[in-house]
Amino acid sequence: SQQGEEDPQALSIQEGENATMNCSYKTSINNLQWYRQNSGRGLVHLILIRSNEREKHSGRLRVTLDTSKKSSSLLITASRAADTASYFCAMPGTALIFGKGTTLSVSS
Amino acid sequence: DAGVTQSPTHLIKTRGQQVTLRCSPKSGHDTVSWYQQALGQGPQFIFQYYEEEERQRGNFPDRFSGHQFPNYSSELNVNALLLGDSALYLCASSLGPYSNQPQHFGDGTRLSIL
Repeated sequence: SQQGEEDPQALSIQEGENATMNCSYKTSINNLQWYRQNSGRGLVHLILIRSNEREKHSGRLRVTLDTSKKSSSLLITASRAADTASYFCAMPGTALIFGKGTTLSVSS
Repeated sequence: DAGVTQSPTHLIKTRGQQVTLRCSPKSGHDTVSWYQQALGQGPQFIFQYYEEEERQRGNFPDRFSGHQFPNYSSELNVNALLLGDSALYLCASSLGPYSNQPQHFGDGTRLSIL
């Protein structure tokens, strides 16, 4: 299956620190997407990186993609308490397939 | 510009009952996908509707069925409810039935089966 696997499953940091989450997948893709989910809410699309891109930025977010290693990383710089959420990578197949997510906790 | 709206927000049912969940897509979107998210897990794809037809289906039994209306809104029906159907049900909309498009999600319906 194309389901991605995020690592770590959980991450706890202090405000101002950087948070890095990784996603590995199994088969070739044409893009990879990252989503955020606050507790009890729906998912919010953060960023889409295409297979011919190696790095993409959006505000404090930086996403990298290494198609040779079938992996992607999401870096959140200068974390804030409001960044506390679960983060999922997702890959298109017959449908959008999500991993199990990384739960990020940012304490002040 | 209204985003994706789902109703109801919470629902409690008992085993064997039937339930209908509703979704209105983001303005301008014509495709609706439904996901089931168990506690601590990622969303699992149930099915997708486009042009009032089911276009793709995930690994869910036919107790799960749906419908899309001419205004692009959609319903998810689940028959013969089981305890394991307790989950957050998420609706997502997009423009076109292409999985490589970003999905816009509603806040879900929390279904509890007693």
